[in-house]
Amino acid sequence: EDQVTQSPEALRLQEGESSSLNCSYTVSGLRGLFWYRQDPGKGPEFLFTLYSAGEEKEKERLKATLTKKESFLHITAPKPEDSATYLCAVQAQEYGNKLVFGAGTILRVKS
Amino acid sequence: GAVVSQHPSWVICKSGTSVKIECRSLDFQATTMFWYRQFPKQSLMLMATSNEGSKATYEQGVEKDKFLINHASLTLSTLTVTSAHPEDSSFYICSAMDPRATYEQYFGPGTRLTVT
Repeated sequence: EDQVTQSPEALRLQEGESSSLNCSYTVSGLRGLFWYRQDPGKGPEFLFTLYSAGEEKEKERLKATLTKKESFLHITAPKPEDSATYLCAVQAQEYGNKLVFGAGTILRVKS
Repeated sequence: GAVVSQHPSWVICKSGTSVKIECRSLDFQATTMFWYRQFPKQSLMLMATSNEGSKATYEQGVEKDKFLINHASLTLSTLTVTSAHPEDSSFYICSAMDPRATYEQYFGPGTRLTVT
């Protein structure tokens, strides 16, 4: 059973068309939920950490929120340069310091 | 933000030879680093956890004699792929835990290994 599930697998948006990516998790003892951006051929780039339900963080066109079961990454008025794979990962007491990753959402923003 | 580097960024080696990949935390000391492997169009697969001054902890199914990990200092961990074979060709990425930020891990840019 997957502990971290991301949806959709792929998302195509027009420039300026806002949308949300979802990350649901089933781990117990959540320590933190992390969002990363990964461009092709590069390592993941850290975006946000969320620690408790109700927490929200923003950075430019991105806003991350967290509930007890899932997290959303909201993208407002996206631009073509926002195209990337967005990875969600959780750290939980049952896994120690390890991150458990979702499969990612591939985002394409067309101008 | 915290910066992690990897060297080399890409390497080609012949089957049967060994290759070493370095992972450095540039602006912080990392007692814990991690090594991942990523196949095309797939997510990251954790290979092992590297702790400074102690033996690495390998994930199930990862051959510790083939993927040697050394974490000799608080800013450097190395991954050596021994007796490489074409099936070891992959994208290897390291990450380091920043002790200044609760639980956060920062990733290196990755190393593309091709075994011919």
